[in-house]
Amino acid sequence: SQTIHQWPATLVQPVGSPLSLECTVEGTSNPNLYWYRQAAGRGLQLLFYSVGIGQISSEVPQNLSASRPQDRQFILSSKKLLLSDSGFYLCAWSQQGFTGELFFGEGSRLTVL
Amino acid sequence: AQTVTQSQPEMSVQEAETVTLSCTYDTSENNYYLFWYKQPPSRQMILVIRQEAYKQQNATENRFSVNFQKAAKSFSLKISDSQLGDTAMYFCALVSGTYKYIFGTGTRLKVLA
Repeated sequence: SQTIHQWPATLVQPVGSPLSLECTVEGTSNPNLYWYRQAAGRGLQLLFYSVGIGQISSEVPQNLSASRPQDRQFILSSKKLLLSDSGFYLCAWSQQGFTGELFFGEGSRLTVL
Repeated sequence: AQTVTQSQPEMSVQEAETVTLSCTYDTSENNYYLFWYKQPPSRQMILVIRQEAYKQQNATENRFSVNFQKAAKSFSLKISDSQLGDTAMYFCALVSGTYKYIFGTGTRLKVLA
């Protein structure tokens, strides 16, 4: 069966510090991968998605970036965090070539102080 | 651009009663999928129900059913016999061949004992 793991679960970082959130999918190959941010009153905002290694689409201009160094690994990064980067970050995956269910990780709570 | 709108930020329902959550969307695609996701206090996203746009028949999953009005671009969720465990944030979502899953801002549902 397929599983998705996301870490760390909780992170408290000072303004201006770097960020790295990691997500790994197991039990499937060549998945579509996604990063979402959930802020109060704003629902789930799509940040990045990837349909293959090295293929990253950015949806919202910001100081965040994403990378996909391996088929089932998706990393969200920042060189310098802003207060506005605080939020709940969700990684997700779906089957390649099939617009079916989106499977979510457990989420990462980021607080920037 | 594709959009999903949920106009009810919060709703409440008495246990065992029926409640309907509203969702409207906009897309220029002919083939797309619509979803309702549930996010309980644990914050784990759970798929409630899925509807393929090419299917005229409304999807049902036990106590959950949808009213899919393609011409009106409306996709409401009906929860029958509401249970305390249904208390959660509910998100409506849309995906098409671009593989971008777009979510609404959510409706917070509280089931009252």
